[in-house]
Amino acid sequence: ETGVTQSPTHLIKTRGQQVTLRCSSQSGHNTVSWYQQALGQGPQFIFQYYREEENGRGNFPPRFSGLQFPNYSSELNVNALELDDSALYLCASSLDYGELFFGEGSRLTVL
Amino acid sequence: GENVEQHPSTLSVQEGDSAVIKCTYSDSASNYFPWYKQELGKRPQLIIDIRSNVGEKKDQRIAVTLNKTAKHFSLHITETQPEDSAVYFCAATDNNNDMRFGAGTRLTVKP
Repeated sequence: ETGVTQSPTHLIKTRGQQVTLRCSSQSGHNTVSWYQQALGQGPQFIFQYYREEENGRGNFPPRFSGLQFPNYSSELNVNALELDDSALYLCASSLDYGELFFGEGSRLTVL
Repeated sequence: GENVEQHPSTLSVQEGDSAVIKCTYSDSASNYFPWYKQELGKRPQLIIDIRSNVGEKKDQRIAVTLNKTAKHFSLHITETQPEDSAVYFCAATDNNNDMRFGAGTRLTVKP
């Protein structure tokens, strides 16, 4: 069974640009959640997708958007990047609402 | 929404001693309380969890206690070892949707 994989692992963008982060769920999982983890902080919930539908959203502006595909992989898109968007973005998958399995994350730096 | 507070932010113990990390939550509807361990540069990994119908759960050297009335839960690690050194996060949710994390505790176990 393959675990949760995320890409890219690291990337650098400039203010105003757009970024797409990708996540492949663990085999058999149908739920994907995205979290933002700033340095020295706990993960902050962005949103969750269950069977291709958004199923909950944290306190993030609309420029954070997502998608879940029929194979349950997922994308996180962030438009109009700001310096404060620099963080580790974690994807976690689960079966229904079970235990979360995290990927290694995508570290985004916005200059 | 749910608010989770965690303390202490840093904890240093001698190898073999016990470590206790405490969290409080605000939403009485929360019924699932996992604990994650995150080593430097790695993904968060679930180490133990507890549901609201249980007051205590133990897994070898790790135990979690829950006081629903007071809305707090604690992680207890006995006979600490250097490999227990990491950042520990508590979290709370009502259905694994919108899981809220504490800010983390950096545990250092000195040999």
